[in-house]
Amino acid sequence: DQQVKQNSPSLSVQEGRISILNCDYTNSMFDYFLWYKKYPAEGPTFLISISSIKDKNEDGRFTVFLNKSAKHLSLHIVPSQPGDSAVYFCAASAGTSYGKLTFGQGTILTVHP
Amino acid sequence: DGGITQSPKYLFRKEGQNVTLSCEQNLNHDAMYWYRQDPGQGLRLIYYSQIVNDFQKGDIAEGYSVSREKKESFPLTVTSAQKNPTAFYLCASRDPGGSSTDTQYFGPGTRLTVL
Repeated sequence: DQQVKQNSPSLSVQEGRISILNCDYTNSMFDYFLWYKKYPAEGPTFLISISSIKDKNEDGRFTVFLNKSAKHLSLHIVPSQPGDSAVYFCAASAGTSYGKLTFGQGTILTVHP
Repeated sequence: DGGITQSPKYLFRKEGQNVTLSCEQNLNHDAMYWYRQDPGQGLRLIYYSQIVNDFQKGDIAEGYSVSREKKESFPLTVTSAQKNPTAFYLCASRDPGGSSTDTQYFGPGTRLTVL
Protein backbone atom coordinates (compact mmCIF):
# COMPACT_ATOMS: atom_id res chain seq x y z
CA ASP A 1 0.00 0.00 0.00
CA GLN A 2 1.81 3.07 -1.28
CA GLN A 3 0.77 5.99 0.92
CA VAL A 4 2.76 8.59 -1.01
CA LYS A 5 2.72 8.51 -4.80
CA GLN A 6 4.51 10.43 -7.48
CA ASN A 7 2.73 9.35 -10.62
CA SER A 8 5.07 10.98 -13.11
CA PRO A 9 8.36 9.06 -13.35
CA SER A 10 9.93 11.86 -15.38
CA LEU A 11 9.48 15.47 -16.46
CA SER A 12 11.32 17.42 -19.14
CA VAL A 13 11.34 21.24 -19.10
CA GLN A 14 13.07 24.02 -21.02
CA GLU A 15 15.45 26.27 -19.10
CA GLY A 16 13.70 29.39 -17.78
CA ARG A 17 10.26 27.77 -17.76
CA ILE A 18 8.32 26.49 -14.77
CA SER A 19 8.72 22.93 -13.49
CA ILE A 20 5.76 21.45 -11.62
CA LEU A 21 6.25 18.20 -9.74
CA ASN A 22 3.23 16.50 -8.22
CA CYS A 23 2.65 14.21 -5.27
CA ASP A 24 -0.47 12.52 -3.88
CA TYR A 25 -0.98 10.91 -0.50
CA THR A 26 -3.63 8.71 1.05
CA ASN A 27 -2.94 8.85 4.80
CA SER A 28 -5.01 11.64 6.37
CA MET A 29 -2.75 11.52 9.45
CA PHE A 30 0.14 13.06 7.51
CA ASP A 31 0.69 16.60 8.73
CA TYR A 32 4.15 17.53 7.48
CA PHE A 33 5.41 17.31 3.93
CA LEU A 34 8.88 17.68 2.47
CA TRP A 35 10.62 17.77 -0.89
CA TYR A 36 14.12 16.40 -1.40
CA LYS A 37 16.43 16.63 -4.39
CA LYS A 38 18.78 13.77 -5.17
CA TYR A 39 21.66 13.28 -7.59
CA PRO A 40 22.77 9.74 -8.54
CA ALA A 41 24.96 8.03 -5.92
CA GLU A 42 24.45 10.88 -3.45
CA GLY A 43 22.23 11.43 -0.44
CA PRO A 44 19.01 13.44 -0.78
CA THR A 45 19.22 17.15 -0.05
CA PHE A 46 16.37 18.83 1.79
CA LEU A 47 14.68 21.50 -0.35
CA ILE A 48 11.52 22.79 1.25
CA SER A 49 8.74 21.68 3.58
CA ILE A 50 5.20 22.60 4.52
CA SER A 51 3.05 21.98 7.54
CA SER A 52 -0.58 20.98 7.12
CA ILE A 53 -1.70 24.25 8.72
CA LYS A 54 -0.46 26.10 5.63
CA ASP A 55 -1.32 25.83 1.96
CA LYS A 56 1.78 27.46 0.53
CA ASN A 57 5.43 27.86 1.42
CA GLU A 58 7.97 29.71 -0.68
CA ASP A 59 11.76 29.73 -0.64
CA GLY A 60 13.45 31.52 -3.49
CA ARG A 61 12.70 29.73 -6.75
CA PHE A 62 10.91 26.90 -4.94
CA THR A 63 7.28 26.96 -3.84
CA VAL A 64 5.32 24.09 -2.37
CA PHE A 65 1.52 24.05 -2.51
CA LEU A 66 -0.64 21.82 -0.32
CA ASN A 67 -4.26 20.93 -1.08
CA LYS A 68 -5.44 18.95 1.94
CA SER A 69 -8.91 18.23 0.61
CA ALA A 70 -7.42 16.62 -2.49
CA LYS A 71 -4.50 15.11 -0.54
CA HIS A 72 -2.18 16.60 -3.11
CA LEU A 73 0.98 18.66 -3.01
CA SER A 74 3.12 20.14 -5.71
CA LEU A 75 6.54 21.69 -6.04
CA HIS A 76 6.99 24.62 -8.41
CA ILE A 77 10.44 25.62 -9.58
CA VAL A 78 10.63 28.89 -11.45
CA PRO A 79 12.66 29.69 -13.39
CA SER A 80 14.06 26.20 -13.99
CA GLN A 81 17.81 25.86 -14.45
CA PRO A 82 19.91 23.00 -15.89
CA GLY A 83 21.39 22.47 -12.42
CA ASP A 84 17.92 21.57 -11.18
CA SER A 85 18.11 18.32 -13.17
CA ALA A 86 17.89 15.56 -10.55
CA VAL A 87 15.44 13.15 -8.95
CA TYR A 88 12.87 14.82 -6.71
CA PHE A 89 11.23 12.94 -3.85
CA CYS A 90 8.26 14.04 -1.85
CA ALA A 91 7.94 12.71 1.68
CA ALA A 92 5.37 12.90 4.44
CA SER A 93 5.21 12.35 8.17
CA ALA A 94 2.50 12.06 10.79
CA GLY A 95 2.86 13.81 14.14
CA THR A 96 2.62 10.50 15.97
CA SER A 97 5.24 8.66 13.91
CA TYR A 98 8.48 9.73 15.68
CA GLY A 99 9.57 11.64 12.63
CA LYS A 100 9.42 8.65 10.29
CA LEU A 101 9.14 9.73 6.68
CA THR A 102 7.21 7.95 3.95
CA PHE A 103 8.66 8.65 0.51
CA GLY A 104 7.22 8.69 -2.98
CA GLN A 105 8.99 6.88 -5.82
CA GLY A 106 10.60 10.01 -7.17
CA THR A 107 10.34 12.06 -10.37
CA ILE A 108 13.33 12.57 -12.65
CA LEU A 109 13.47 16.23 -13.72
CA THR A 110 15.51 17.16 -16.77
CA VAL A 111 15.95 20.84 -17.57
CA HIS A 112 17.21 21.45 -21.11
CA PRO A 113 19.36 24.50 -21.90
CA ASP B 1 31.57 21.72 9.71
CA GLY B 2 28.60 19.65 10.83
CA GLY B 3 27.19 16.78 8.87
CA ILE B 4 26.63 13.08 8.41
CA THR B 5 29.34 10.78 7.13
CA GLN B 6 28.91 7.29 5.75
CA SER B 7 31.77 5.01 4.93
CA PRO B 8 32.78 3.48 2.70
CA LYS B 9 31.21 4.98 -0.43
CA TYR B 10 31.30 1.62 -2.24
CA LEU B 11 31.37 -1.79 -0.59
CA PHE B 12 31.63 -5.25 -2.11
CA ARG B 13 30.95 -8.45 -0.23
CA LYS B 14 30.56 -12.11 -1.04
CA GLU B 15 27.19 -13.74 -0.58
CA GLY B 16 26.75 -15.17 2.89
CA GLN B 17 28.98 -12.63 4.65
CA ASN B 18 27.73 -10.09 7.16
CA VAL B 19 28.76 -6.50 6.55
CA THR B 20 28.53 -3.37 8.71
CA LEU B 21 27.88 0.08 7.26
CA SER B 22 29.07 3.07 9.23
CA CYS B 23 27.06 6.23 9.95
CA GLU B 24 28.42 9.09 12.06
CA GLN B 25 26.90 12.53 12.70
CA ASN B 26 28.22 15.58 14.52
CA LEU B 27 24.96 17.54 14.36
CA ASN B 28 24.06 16.59 17.94
CA HIS B 29 20.81 15.08 16.66
CA ASP B 30 19.01 12.59 18.88
CA ALA B 31 17.20 10.68 16.13
CA MET B 32 18.85 8.62 13.40
CA TYR B 33 17.47 6.52 10.55
CA TRP B 34 18.56 3.95 7.97
CA TYR B 35 16.93 3.68 4.53
CA ARG B 36 17.62 1.68 1.42
CA GLN B 37 16.99 2.79 -2.12
CA ASP B 38 16.50 0.42 -5.05
CA PRO B 39 16.38 1.50 -8.71
CA GLY B 40 13.14 3.27 -9.59
CA GLN B 41 11.90 3.21 -6.03
CA GLY B 42 11.65 5.62 -3.17
CA LEU B 43 13.49 5.29 0.10
CA ARG B 44 12.30 2.56 2.45
CA LEU B 45 12.89 2.69 6.19
CA ILE B 46 14.97 -0.12 7.70
CA TYR B 47 15.54 0.94 11.33
CA TYR B 48 15.35 4.10 13.36
CA SER B 49 16.51 5.30 16.75
CA GLN B 50 15.05 8.15 18.74
CA ILE B 51 17.67 8.13 21.47
CA VAL B 52 20.84 6.34 22.58
CA ASN B 53 20.38 2.66 23.50
CA ASP B 54 16.96 2.54 21.84
CA PHE B 55 15.96 1.59 18.31
CA GLN B 56 12.88 0.39 16.45
CA LYS B 57 12.22 -1.67 13.33
CA GLY B 58 11.11 0.15 10.23
CA ASP B 59 9.17 -1.23 7.29
CA ILE B 60 11.84 -3.62 5.97
CA ALA B 61 13.95 -4.65 8.99
CA GLU B 62 14.28 -8.36 8.18
CA GLY B 63 17.89 -9.37 7.63
CA TYR B 64 19.30 -6.21 9.22
CA SER B 65 20.49 -5.25 12.70
CA VAL B 66 21.58 -1.98 14.32
CA SER B 67 23.06 -0.62 17.53
CA ARG B 68 23.00 2.84 19.10
CA GLU B 69 25.66 2.91 21.82
CA LYS B 70 26.64 6.51 21.16
CA LYS B 71 24.57 9.53 20.14
CA GLU B 72 26.74 10.23 17.11
CA SER B 73 26.91 6.69 15.72
CA PHE B 74 24.28 4.35 14.26
CA PRO B 75 25.92 1.40 12.42
CA LEU B 76 23.84 -0.94 10.28
CA THR B 77 24.73 -4.62 9.84
CA VAL B 78 23.47 -6.37 6.73
CA THR B 79 23.32 -10.04 7.62
CA SER B 80 23.38 -13.11 5.42
CA ALA B 81 19.64 -13.45 6.11
CA GLN B 82 18.89 -10.41 3.94
CA LYS B 83 17.74 -11.90 0.63
CA ASN B 84 18.47 -8.94 -1.64
CA PRO B 85 21.22 -6.91 0.05
CA THR B 86 22.54 -5.13 -3.05
CA ALA B 87 21.24 -1.57 -2.78
CA PHE B 88 22.11 2.03 -1.99
CA TYR B 89 21.97 2.61 1.78
CA LEU B 90 21.27 6.02 3.27
CA CYS B 91 21.61 7.21 6.83
CA ALA B 92 19.78 10.28 8.13
CA SER B 93 19.43 12.23 11.34
CA ARG B 94 16.85 14.56 12.84
CA ASP B 95 16.68 17.07 15.66
CA PRO B 96 13.35 16.43 17.42
CA GLY B 97 13.73 19.68 19.35
CA GLY B 98 14.46 21.84 16.33
CA SER B 99 12.15 24.27 14.55
CA SER B 100 11.48 21.86 11.68
CA THR B 101 11.11 18.79 13.82
CA ASP B 102 10.39 16.24 11.09
CA THR B 103 13.11 17.31 8.66
CA GLN B 104 15.75 14.64 8.19
CA TYR B 105 19.23 15.32 6.89
CA PHE B 106 20.99 12.64 4.89
CA GLY B 107 24.50 11.33 4.53
CA PRO B 108 26.11 10.66 1.12
CA GLY B 109 25.15 6.96 1.10
CA THR B 110 26.94 3.62 0.73
CA ARG B 111 26.51 1.50 -2.37
CA LEU B 112 26.63 -2.17 -1.29
CA THR B 113 27.11 -4.85 -3.91
CA VAL B 114 26.93 -8.49 -2.93
CA LEU B 115 28.65 -10.78 -5.41
